[in-house]
Amino acid sequence: DVVMTQSPLSLPVTLGQPASISCRSSQTLVYSNGRIYLNWFQQRPGHSPRRLIYEVSNRDSGVPDRFSGSGSGTDFTLQISRVEAEDVGVYYCMQGTHWPFTFGGGTKVEIK
Amino acid sequence: QVHLVDSGGGLVKPGGSLRLSCEASGFTFTDYYMNWIRQAPGKGLEYLSYISQSGSDIIYADSVKGRFTISRDNAKNTVYLQMNSLRAEDTAVYYCAKTARLLDSWGRGTLVTVSS
Repeated sequence: DVVMTQSPLSLPVTLGQPASISCRSSQTLVYSNGRIYLNWFQQRPGHSPRRLIYEVSNRDSGVPDRFSGSGSGTDFTLQISRVEAEDVGVYYCMQGTHWPFTFGGGTKVEIK
Repeated sequence: QVHLVDSGGGLVKPGGSLRLSCEASGFTFTDYYMNWIRQAPGKGLEYLSYISQSGSDIIYADSVKGRFTISRDNAKNTVYLQMNSLRAEDTAVYYCAKTARLLDSWGRGTLVTVSS
């Protein structure tokens, strides 16, 4: 199985400051059609996950532009340019290239 | 607007069965693969299964293979997860989601508790 390793596990951030979450895969994630199925999800407390970024760097409709995704090969990053109070929650990366599709262990973002 | 309503969860004894449902609206159901993902209490996410538009392409995670069955009724815009031989470790919130590999929309989830 492809292992998705996220870091850090916990990320205390000051409001208005940037935040960065790393996700590393144990294999490259290029599918046979050339697409890279690396997605990022946000799970606010008590809510179901919500997709923020798909295929590495495409922001979903309605997602604030302070969220961005980047990466290639086996290293991927989710960045929040200026953290707001509503960004508190757990963030997961997920690969949808190799079955079984797998999630990272999650990064908990909290306000200092 | 996409809307997915998961239901059917509850308390069941080890070895028992349960059928989860996910009713979809706001999009053309027959155009999309559908998926089930679960989250054990306080834990991360586990992708369990997906089913193609016609039901001809189905896959399962090893943890549920042979015990769980995914199906869909396109006339009712509903996807199902039949869960048999339930174990304590199947206790989780179960979510349905739209679009294999991409999971662009999720239901609110339904809690399954397996306990004697």
